[in-house]
Amino acid sequence: DAGVTQSPTHLIKTRGQQVTLRCSPKSGHDTVSWYQQALGQGPQFIFQYYEEEERQRGNFPDRFSGHQFPNYSSELNVNALLLGDSALYLCASSLGVRAGETQYFGPGTRLLVL
Amino acid sequence: GENVEQHPSTLSVQEGDSAVIKCTYSDSASNYFPWYKQELGKGPQLIIDIRSNVGEKKDQRIAVTLNKTAKHFSLHITETQPEDSAVYFCAASIGNDMRFGAGTRLTVKP
Repeated sequence: DAGVTQSPTHLIKTRGQQVTLRCSPKSGHDTVSWYQQALGQGPQFIFQYYEEEERQRGNFPDRFSGHQFPNYSSELNVNALLLGDSALYLCASSLGVRAGETQYFGPGTRLLVL
Repeated sequence: GENVEQHPSTLSVQEGDSAVIKCTYSDSASNYFPWYKQELGKGPQLIIDIRSNVGEKKDQRIAVTLNKTAKHFSLHITETQPEDSAVYFCAASIGNDMRFGAGTRLTVKP
């Protein structure tokens, strides 16, 4: 049973560039949530996708956008990168959008902005 | 919004001892409280969770307690082993917005 997978594992970009990160959910899951984890901190909720729509969003600017495909996989896009966007980006999948559904995390994509 | 505080930030115990990590949350509407273990270079791994209609849950050496009145919940690890060394995160969920604590770095000395 494949767990949550993310690509790439590492990425280096420069300020002002744009980046796309990818996530495939755990088999049988249809909901994908994205989190940003700065060094030494807990993950922060960016947004959640279900049925190809953004269902809930955390306190992140519009530079952060996403997409979910019919096969439930998802992309996170970040435009106009800032140094402060350097972090581990985590994808978590779950089944449905009921409150309190268990979320399973992928290994993350480590983004470094220079 | 929800605010989750976690203590201590670091914890060092001798192998075989117990470890306790405590979290408090601010929003009484939170109804789901998972705990995650994160090893270096990996994503968080769910180790146990509890919902607001339950006061305590146990899974082998791991237990979680929830006090809704005081708005705090705790993780208890008994008979600790070196492989328990990792960063542990608590979280509280309102809807699908899950807020995490800042983490506790647990070191188990052999």
